[in-house]
Amino acid sequence: NAGVTQTPKFQVLKTGQSMTLQCAQDMNHNSMYWYRQDPGMGLRLIYYSASEGTTDKGEVPNGYNVSRLNKREFSLRLESAAPSQTSVYFCASSEGTGGYSNQPQHFGDGTRLSIL
Amino acid sequence: AQSVSQHNHHVILSEAASLELGCNYSYGGTVNLFWYVQYPGQHLQLLLKYFSGDPLVKGIKGFEAEFIKSKFSFNLRKPSVQWSDTAEYFCAVNDGGATNKLIFGTGTLLAVQP
Repeated sequence: NAGVTQTPKFQVLKTGQSMTLQCAQDMNHNSMYWYRQDPGMGLRLIYYSASEGTTDKGEVPNGYNVSRLNKREFSLRLESAAPSQTSVYFCASSEGTGGYSNQPQHFGDGTRLSIL
Repeated sequence: AQSVSQHNHHVILSEAASLELGCNYSYGGTVNLFWYVQYPGQHLQLLLKYFSGDPLVKGIKGFEAEFIKSKFSFNLRKPSVQWSDTAEYFCAVNDGGATNKLIFGTGTLLAVQP
């Protein structure tokens, strides 16, 4: 049982380049999330998808786009990378959707992204 | 807007010392509360959660947390830490809304010295 799988694990980009971070979960979860983790700032939500076919902005969506390709997969795209987007990106999934939920989120191993 | 505060940014303890990490949240309604741990180079893992019932919650690896509603707090405790507890600890709150979004604190980096 792989849980949440993210690819790639590491990536170096030049300013202005684009790339897509991939995330897949095999737990049949409805909800998926993308976070960025920066020193001293904890995790901040970029985008989330409460269910297949829906996506919504989180706390820091600027410069990113997402696609919920199907129930398993949720990708994050940087169209024109900037140095301020250097960070560690985590994908997560959870069972909870629609209404009150106490289900925890399950996290992937992260993608360490550096933009020069 | 909701927020989560972790006032201890960096804690250094010796093995066998007791641990208490503070977490306060700002939200007046019903909440679910979580503590996650991130060991060096790894992803976040759930330590424990509270959503109702006994306000003293026990988690994995000997950790526990107490929910005090009147103080909007959910502090993490462990009676005797080990070197292997060296990690970053995050408190998070879920407002129970339709999307199960989590608001994270900024984290507390714990270093346990052998």
